[in-house]
Amino acid sequence: NAGVTQTPKFRILKIGQSMTLQCTQDMNHNYMYWYRQDPGMGLKLIYYSVGAGITDKGEVPNGYNVSRSTTEDFPLRLELAAPSQTSVYFCASSSPQVAYEQYFGPGTRLTVT
Amino acid sequence: GIQVEQSPPDLILQEGANSTLRCNFSDSVNNLQWFHQNPWGQLINLFYIPSGTKQNGRLSATTVATERYSLLYISSSQTTDSGVYFCAVERWSSNTGKLIFGQGTTLQVKP
Repeated sequence: NAGVTQTPKFRILKIGQSMTLQCTQDMNHNYMYWYRQDPGMGLKLIYYSVGAGITDKGEVPNGYNVSRSTTEDFPLRLELAAPSQTSVYFCASSSPQVAYEQYFGPGTRLTVT
Repeated sequence: GIQVEQSPPDLILQEGANSTLRCNFSDSVNNLQWFHQNPWGQLINLFYIPSGTKQNGRLSATTVATERYSLLYISSSQTTDSGVYFCAVERWSSNTGKLIFGQGTTLQVKP
């Protein structure tokens, strides 16, 4: 199993550009999450999904959108990128069958200039 | 919302020393997890421990849910233990795995 994979690893965006961060898991987990981690800080939840077709906001959803058309994929869309979105983005997945233990991808380091 | 506080914020140890990291939370929880973020940024799940005690090698964790705290013990520390340790909780009324993270404890183990 590859676990949770994320692409790209690094990206530099100009202000106002858009992009999609990809996340895929092969553990058949129902639950998936997007977090952002600012320097020296803990992680903050952006959006989460409890299954295909079902998504909901986390703590810091503004400026982001998500979709969940399959169990495996949970892309995060940034529209009109702003410098405040410079951060490291982590995708994670979990399952009630394994007590919601969260497994994380390697992260995407995004810089908006 | 629920508050998660970790202490100490920073810790420097000599290789072979033991340490205790603390996580306090402000409300009842049904989910508590400890994570290690290595110097390359990868997050690894160490324990799922909403209550009780667990051990995994040199690491162990105890959560006293009624008193709203959890402890992570690292014994005979090694340089590979360096990194940031996060505690994360889910409040009792939620059943979606939505975790609230603390700010972390940064551990440096010197050879």
